[in-house]
Amino acid sequence: EAGVTQFPSHSVIEKGQTVTLRCDPISGHDNLYWYRRVMGKEIKFLLHFVKESKQDESGMPNNRFLAERTGGTYSTLKVQPAELEDSGVYFCASRAGTKNEKLFFGSGTQLSVL
Amino acid sequence: GDSVTQMEGPVTLSEEAFLTINCTYTATGYPSLFWYVQYPGEGLQLLLKATKADDKGSNKGFEATYRKETTSFHLEKGSVQVSDSAVYFCALMNSGGYQKVTFGTGTKLQVIP
Repeated sequence: EAGVTQFPSHSVIEKGQTVTLRCDPISGHDNLYWYRRVMGKEIKFLLHFVKESKQDESGMPNNRFLAERTGGTYSTLKVQPAELEDSGVYFCASRAGTKNEKLFFGSGTQLSVL
Repeated sequence: GDSVTQMEGPVTLSEEAFLTINCTYTATGYPSLFWYVQYPGEGLQLLLKATKADDKGSNKGFEATYRKETTSFHLEKGSVQVSDSAVYFCALMNSGGYQKVTFGTGTKLQVIP
């Protein structure tokens, strides 16, 4: 069974540019989460999809961040325009049904904004 | 809101030493508690979990006991190996709402031969 995959693994962009991160969850997992870890701090929740619907987007820092999950399969997280403080590791995780607590994580996208 | 506090690292131990990584939490209700581990170059993996008070989670020689009275979930291992070198994250999932997982800051463990 394929795990959660994220692309790209690394991205280096300049301030003001746009970057799109992609996450492919485990097939059949309705729940998809985006998290971010900045400079060795805690892993912070960004948002949660159930299928194609945004269940909770309370962690999205501002309107420069846009997440989508068309068709309830893969998800994208776009940052436009990127700022220096957006640098960090962006993790995607997926989880089967509401009664299953185990999260499966991707290996993350290291984003560096220069 | 929910929060998790874990000891700062990095922690450097010699092989076969005893490991404790402290974790305390603040949450409403009765959360489930987790330890996740991130090995170099990989994503986070669930190491162990406990879903109610006094439960003990264990895996790969690691243990943690859910202590409601002290709101703690300390991670322990009796004899660490070089292969245990990784970053360890304490986390909780609350039973209500959207079942969002809240993580601590992570503790980097380095085990030297």
